[in-house]
Amino acid sequence: DTEVTQTPKHLVMGMTNKKSLKCEQHMGHRAMYWYKQKAKKPPELMFVYSYEKLSINESVPSRFSPECPNSSLLNLHLHALQPEDSALYLCASSQETSGRAFEQYFGPGTRLTVT
Amino acid sequence: GENVEQHPSTLSVQEGDSAVIKCTYSDSASNYFPWYKQELGKRPQLIIDIRSNVGEKKDQRIAVTLNKTAKHFSLHITETQPEDSAVYFCAASIGYSTLTFGKGTMLLVSP
Repeated sequence: DTEVTQTPKHLVMGMTNKKSLKCEQHMGHRAMYWYKQKAKKPPELMFVYSYEKLSINESVPSRFSPECPNSSLLNLHLHALQPEDSALYLCASSQETSGRAFEQYFGPGTRLTVT
Repeated sequence: GENVEQHPSTLSVQEGDSAVIKCTYSDSASNYFPWYKQELGKRPQLIIDIRSNVGEKKDQRIAVTLNKTAKHFSLHITETQPEDSAVYFCAASIGYSTLTFGKGTMLLVSP
């Protein structure tokens, strides 16, 4: 299996809702990432997990809460979002993050709309 | 931190022509340079990458060159086809897999 999968594909939520995005990979990768991508912009790094521990948080607001239950799964919990948080949320994975850069493979993304 | 500049922002070519996209980076410690292709509504797809110990890498119609002295790298696509139409992102990494992306180039290949 050489793919990163994400669910749901689309999500519409109100500003008071709580929802979660899910990401899964079965490539044995030990690093997983969350990115946010606005239209016509490059992906913007949010979080990095390495060996199931949070290693990078790019000053993301606390209404976004990541979780890595095991080496194959990555969740992003959403609460009290703002309309400007509407974007494509991409998950990615790579072998690991220790000492050299490894290829990152992206999932198809979740298109989030906050109303 | 690292800064990656990418040019042009839009590139229109005729089918069969070559296309070149250029990127410059600011941190001489960067040592990994991937290129991603993103079709409309789809995921970024890694199409080729190069490390700082190599000057050029080729994969069929796609090639990447790296000039460490000048701190720039380029994507070359030969014999372009309509299905090459997409947004292309370059990126640079100072190890540890944290990528800094360029702003992207929209490539349009007309039949």
